[in-house]
Amino acid sequence: GESVGLHLPTLSVQEGDNSIINCAYSNSASDYFIWYKQESGKGPQFIIDIRSNMDKRQGQRVTVLLNKTVKHLSLQIAATQPGDSAVYFCAEIGGYQKVTFGTGTKLQVIP
Amino acid sequence: NAGVTQTPKFQVLKTGQSMTLQCAQDMNHNSMYWYRQDPGMGLRLIYYSASEGTTDKGEVPNGYNVSRLNKREFSLRLESAAPSQTSVYFCAGDRGVGYTFGSGTRLTVV
Repeated sequence: GESVGLHLPTLSVQEGDNSIINCAYSNSASDYFIWYKQESGKGPQFIIDIRSNMDKRQGQRVTVLLNKTVKHLSLQIAATQPGDSAVYFCAEIGGYQKVTFGTGTKLQVIP
Repeated sequence: NAGVTQTPKFQVLKTGQSMTLQCAQDMNHNSMYWYRQDPGMGLRLIYYSASEGTTDKGEVPNGYNVSRLNKREFSLRLESAAPSQTSVYFCAGDRGVGYTFGSGTRLTVV
C-alpha cells in the first residue's frame, strides 16, 4: 500500500507475473478515482479511472477494483513487462473537485 | 501535439533569487494547475486556474505567484527562492478525465 514515509513502498515482480498495487483512500465521499503511472524523470500519466458507482473497470492489461466499504482501491497489471516499471499512485476526487494524490508505490519488474 | 510543455527542465537558484517556471498547453484545457512533488509526499497543489484570467490558491501557495495571461500559458513565479522550495514542479491541464501533466521542472535552491 501507499505510505507517508520518506521511502516509497516497493513491489518487485517477475516479468510475466501479475502485479497488484494497493491504495487506501481517506474520503468516503470521494466519487471518482484515477490511477497514474510515473516513470523516472517524467510527469504522471493517466492509466485508468473508476467512478464510485462501479466496483471494477478493465483496460488493456490493467484492472482497477474499488471497495468502498473499506475505502480501498487496487490496480492489477496482467503479464507485467519491464516497461511497467514506474511509480504508481492513486488520486481521489471528492467534493468541489478536490483532488488528493497518494504517495505512490514503486513497481520493479525483474527480467 | 506536445500536450503540456514545461520549461526549464532543471534549474539551480541561490536563496533570494527569483525565477518564473513556464507552462504551455496545446490541448485547449480550460483548467490548469501547478503542483510540487516532494519525496514521500503526494503531489501538492500550489495554485490553479479554472479559466483564462482567473487564479486561485491551492494547498501550499506561500512563496509563489501565478499568471494565466491566455488560455495556453500558466506560469509560476518564485519571487525570493528559499531552500524549502527545492522540489519537482509539475504543470497540468484538466482533460476532463484526469490531468495531463508536463514532464516537470527540477528546482534546487541552495
